Amino acid sequence: GENVEQHPSTLSVQEGDSAVIKCTYSDSASNYFPWYKQELGKRPQLIIDIRSNVGEKKDQRIAVTLNKTAKHFSLHITETQPEDSAVYFCSGGAGSYQLTFGKGTKLSVIP
Amino acid sequence: GAGVSQTPSNKVTEKGKYVELRCDPISGHTALYWYRQSLGQGPEFLIYFQGTGAADDSGLPNDRFFAVRPEGSVSTLKIQRTERGDSAVYLCASSKTGTGVHEQYFGPGTRLTVT
Repeated sequence: GENVEQHPSTLSVQEGDSAVIKCTYSDSASNYFPWYKQELGKRPQLIIDIRSNVGEKKDQRIAVTLNKTAKHFSLHITETQPEDSAVYFCSGGAGSYQLTFGKGTKLSVIP
Repeated sequence: GAGVSQTPSNKVTEKGKYVELRCDPISGHTALYWYRQSLGQGPEFLIYFQGTGAADDSGLPNDRFFAVRPEGSVSTLKIQRTERGDSAVYLCASSKTGTGVHEQYFGPGTRLTVT
């Protein structure tokens, strides 16, 4: 089955700086890679996703890149704000029905 | 419209007891998923329903776990003879369908504590 590794497990940045979270996957059949944000005690919420037919996708301050050859994908958050503080999970799967999640990155944005 | 809801929000039970966890998906979503999230970990896939049938139950850890979705809407996750290791947050998610690529919307979860 799919194995998704995520790094780092914790990340602290100053407000206004950029944050980068990296993930690798093992199953070459995986073609869908959503990222979820989970605030303490809350439900995971989709923030951005990418499909294997594109290499990059942006949505305002958030971007995701995908390298199919190397089987890795990354989340980039620019101009970080305190409200970006949360746990971020990468995930991957062959279609949306069976996602494998990484262990999460706890992002702290220091005002 | 209303999002995915789960009841109860918290459940404390004694080792060996039986528990049922309920999920109400978004109206019209045919795909429903159950995940288990342990502290400090990402959600772990348990089972996926497309309509009334369990299309993939490969994530259920053992035969103490069972889930149903008799009318293709509400789903119940059932755990028999609970063990302390079953303590976790059980998340439910739904999507328009399970084929292709569709966003999964998560519920708030049920925190199960087995004492």
